[in-house]
Amino acid sequence: GENVEQHPSTLSVQEGDSAVIKCTYSDSASNYFPWYKQELGKRPQLIIDIRSNVGEKKDQRIAVTLNKTAKHFSLHITETQPEDSAVYFCAASWDTGFQKLVFGTGTRLLVSP
Amino acid sequence: DTEVTQTPKHLVMGMTNKKSLKCEQHMGHRAMYWYKQKAKKPPELMFVYSYEKLSINESVPSRFSPECPNSSLLNLHLHALQPEDSALYLCASGSGAGETQYFGPGTRLLVL
Repeated sequence: GENVEQHPSTLSVQEGDSAVIKCTYSDSASNYFPWYKQELGKRPQLIIDIRSNVGEKKDQRIAVTLNKTAKHFSLHITETQPEDSAVYFCAASWDTGFQKLVFGTGTRLLVSP
Repeated sequence: DTEVTQTPKHLVMGMTNKKSLKCEQHMGHRAMYWYKQKAKKPPELMFVYSYEKLSINESVPSRFSPECPNSSLLNLHLHALQPEDSALYLCASGSGAGETQYFGPGTRLLVL
């Protein structure tokens, strides 16, 4: 089955710096890659996603890149702010008629003012 | 309505109790999911319902019993749980493969 590895497990940056989180997946059939942000005690919320027919997607300060050949995808956050502090999960999914997400282990991002 | 709702928010139960968790969505999604999340871990898939039929059971113990009464509702019946079952239980819904999956706020369960 699919396996998703995520690094780093923790990331501390200063406000205004950029943050990069990387994920690697094992199943070449995976074709949908969402990123979720989970604040303490809250639900996971989708912040950006990318499909396998696209190499890069951007939404304001957040971008995701996908390298299908290498089977890895990355989340880039620019101009970080303290409210970006949270746990970020990457996930991979494939066409099955419904969507079974396999999550990475999570990255705790701390943005210091 | 773009939200998934869950009740109750918190639940404390003894190992001999029977309780139920409820989830509701009105986005017309065809698939609904139950996840279990332990502290500092990613959500772990338990069950998937597609078109109100159980599609996936990830080898979940029988003390957890899912039910999908209609396309908008999803229940998780709990009986004879163990303390290690204490966790955040998340419900989610989605349109299908390659589509966004939306999570509810979760039920924080404590088994004494």
